[in-house]
Amino acid sequence: DAMVIQNPRYQVTQFGKPVTLSCSQTLNHNVMYWYQQKSSQAPKLLFHYYDKDFNNEADTPDNFQSRRPNTSFCFLDIRSPGLGDAAMYLCATGLAGEGTGELFFGEGSRLTVL
Amino acid sequence: AQSVTQPDIHITVSEGASLELRCNYSYGATPYLFWYVQSPGQGLQLLLKYFSGDTLVQGIKGFEAEFKRSQSSFNLRKPSVHWSDAAEYFCAVAPFSGGYNKLIFGAGTRLAVHP
Repeated sequence: DAMVIQNPRYQVTQFGKPVTLSCSQTLNHNVMYWYQQKSSQAPKLLFHYYDKDFNNEADTPDNFQSRRPNTSFCFLDIRSPGLGDAAMYLCATGLAGEGTGELFFGEGSRLTVL
Repeated sequence: AQSVTQPDIHITVSEGASLELRCNYSYGATPYLFWYVQSPGQGLQLLLKYFSGDTLVQGIKGFEAEFKRSQSSFNLRKPSVHWSDAAEYFCAVAPFSGGYNKLIFGAGTRLAVHP
């Protein structure tokens, strides 16, 4: 029973054509994260939401935006994808509070930019 | 700044052989420590985690890891590797900050298993 669901699993877009990736969760976790993972590299945190508070990593390009309309859903918007944005995008959820720390990952959305 | 080092990019072992994947971290205090596994084209699956207490932790699929504070290490081990263990393994730390955690990953170790 998938708890963090990402759609689509595979997305092909053209250079400069906006893309939206979605993530939904059934865990009722208050923190949701977006990671970018390029081929043979470690996942890199782009940003996260703590409830409705958006937290951007300092080196995340402006081309990447996110929305969280409610607890269950979070979206990653890439306004003008470039060839360098081709990657696997991983959504994760977690609970705030000490003694936690474990993140639950979706299966990822693989983005191809032509 | 916090960081995670996985010194081995690729490791190849024979099926049935023992395995140890190395992980070293840099952090001012004891962080939360994790090992995740990723099969090709898939998301990340948690193998095991260390928060506190017993420094030898057991995980899924027969994996275990030992936290050694003096060496800032959290090495992953398995006594007998199966062909299905071939995957990429990521060590991660989660420094507690602001009431929640952000995982910092190592670069990963790709495991190949020979029959």
